[in-house]
Amino acid sequence: AQTVTQSQPEMSVQEAETVTLSCTYDTSESDYYLFWYKQPPSRQMILVIRQEAYKQQNATENRFSVNFQKAAKSFSLKISDSQLGDAAMYFCAYRRVGGSQGNLIFGKGTKLSVKP
Amino acid sequence: ETGVTQTPRHLVMGMTNKKSLKCEQHLGHNAMYWYKQSAKKPLELMFVYNFKEQTENNSVPSRFSPECPNSSHLFLHLHTLQPEDSALYLCASSQLYGQGGISPLHFGNGTRLTVT
Repeated sequence: AQTVTQSQPEMSVQEAETVTLSCTYDTSESDYYLFWYKQPPSRQMILVIRQEAYKQQNATENRFSVNFQKAAKSFSLKISDSQLGDAAMYFCAYRRVGGSQGNLIFGKGTKLSVKP
Repeated sequence: ETGVTQTPRHLVMGMTNKKSLKCEQHLGHNAMYWYKQSAKKPLELMFVYNFKEQTENNSVPSRFSPECPNSSHLFLHLHTLQPEDSALYLCASSQLYGQGGISPLHFGNGTRLTVT
């Protein structure tokens, strides 16, 4: 069975600095999707970034980028120039290609605090 | 207006009550989902609806009864719940394409349910 592990329950970063959130996963599949979702106090889960496993190039969305290491089954999220609005819970998620619709496997999350 | 709207935002109910959670999506998607988010646990998929047809039930107890009258609305009917059912219930939608393709999930703000 696939699992997603986020080993950092909480992280803290100074405003304007860079922080990296860790995520590892376990799967025997060769093709799959990986996601980072952000959940601010409003509780809405917001997609931050998405990576297809067959793509070697790391995904980037403005200040957010990932370090995807397929062999190591690692998928970390880097947030550059951190802003106060980045404070939230961050969830790493996995979905295999052709898998059950919407059946994302989520990690337990990392709570990110941003200090002014 | 947000893409996925959930009501009520908060709900407190006794174990003998019957209540319903409502979800409406304004994105023109053809699939909708119920997720449960409990403290200290990963997000769990409960039900999947594809073109109004339930395609997945992840071993959810019968005291949770979903209803999808059309592709824009999803309900979760609750009856004789237990205190351990207290959680944040999130609704999501997505667009399903042929051959297993799926757009990223769009989530609502959730309903915080407390069972007393």
